[in-house]
Amino acid sequence: SQQGEEDPQALSIQEGENATMNCSYKTSINNLQWYRQNSGRGLVHLILIRSNEREKHSGRLRVTLDTSKKSSSLLITASRAADTASYFCATDAWVTGGGNKLTFGTGTQLKVEL
Amino acid sequence: GAVVSQHPSRVICKSGTSVKIECRSLDFQATTMFWYRQFPKQSLMLMATSNEGSKATYEQGVEKDKFLINHASLTLSTLTVTSAHPEDSSFYICSARDYRTRLNTEAFFGQGTRLTVV
Repeated sequence: SQQGEEDPQALSIQEGENATMNCSYKTSINNLQWYRQNSGRGLVHLILIRSNEREKHSGRLRVTLDTSKKSSSLLITASRAADTASYFCATDAWVTGGGNKLTFGTGTQLKVEL
Repeated sequence: GAVVSQHPSRVICKSGTSVKIECRSLDFQATTMFWYRQFPKQSLMLMATSNEGSKATYEQGVEKDKFLINHASLTLSTLTVTSAHPEDSSFYICSARDYRTRLNTEAFFGQGTRLTVV
């Protein structure tokens, strides 16, 4: 079952603009991660934010986490055409029987136009 | 970051045959590997979790006799799609984690395998 719902499902912006994607989830988590996927390829890890963190930066990426609202956002600043891809949030939580499980959101398809 | 190699990247097989997909962690030991399936323009659906040396744990709705998972070593897990049918055509992705040392870090993903059953 899908843990995360992301919005928007699709986002089209002009190069240089900022892109914001949101993710909501339902259960308690250890951390939340954002991944990028180019069409037909594997996933690339972008950033991880722990449940006790509220904001994290990495280059042009900024992630926020609000555990009270069970939501996270990914901001890509000064977007480039090369940022065109699908972006997924994934919640990492303990599961019954031991171990962690990553559950992915529905994804946002970002298109950055020249 | 750590590297996970998935092979083959693409495979076409005839209906009724079996296909094996390999997932290797190249520079770390993976105590746990995960297998996902992804349909076009959709999210990743977890199929099963495999711990080294033990039976895989399958998600609800995933046929364990159809999708055989073996995790015989700390660096290799395989997914075998048995008696493949056209509806099994999909993108399969593995990921690996080492819970002994990377409890709160990202999972590492293979590049995926595009399976087409004709």
